[in-house]
Amino acid sequence: QQPVQSPQAVILREGEDAVINCSSSKALYSVHWYRQKHGEAPVFLMILLKGGEQKGHEKISASFNEKKQQSSLYLTASQLSYSGTYFCGTEATGTYKYIFGTGTRLKVLA
Amino acid sequence: GAGVSQSPRYKVAKRGQDVALRCDPISGHVSLFWYQQALGQGPEFLTYFQNEAQLDKSGLPSDRFFAERPEGSVSTLKIQRTQQEDSAVYLCASSLGADPLGNEQFFGPGTRLTVL
Repeated sequence: QQPVQSPQAVILREGEDAVINCSSSKALYSVHWYRQKHGEAPVFLMILLKGGEQKGHEKISASFNEKKQQSSLYLTASQLSYSGTYFCGTEATGTYKYIFGTGTRLKVLA
Repeated sequence: GAGVSQSPRYKVAKRGQDVALRCDPISGHVSLFWYQQALGQGPEFLTYFQNEAQLDKSGLPSDRFFAERPEGSVSTLKIQRTQQEDSAVYLCASSLGADPLGNEQFFGPGTRLTVL
């Protein structure tokens, strides 16, 4: 039931854009996105609610695909500080169990 | 305090020892989560509290793991008879509301447990 993220890793130049995908076998009720830097705790980026509403970072946006089984995170004009591992997170259906995706390592180079 | 705090930050235990990890969530936060994060992996869910009620403990790996939040604020994760496979970073997170998916989670810095 763990969401699968793609790509597994990506390298960008500063100022470039990136898209990270989070795919589930079941429809996603809502999705959270977090970024974790090495040796630190995850930090909240945004929530994507089932109706498409978003709450979070101004330079980061997200969307669902038509069947709501995939969420995509869009990073625009990337900065060095965007480097880290990105996780999507959601809830296992009918439980309070919170599940993180497989993770995407992103590195931004100057 | 301003954020979620955890103590100790680092713990070294000999195999077979019991350990207790503490989490102080943000004041007034209803929801509290514990996660286990192995090196190079993402956080894995252990248990969830809503105030003092433990509503989901399906992620606890064995009956050696026990968590409590008796007054709906501070939480303790206890591991009995520690094993080497328990070595990991244990993260605590809290969120304001009772809907885990409707609110962001604020994470503490984690406790790095090493079992020798």
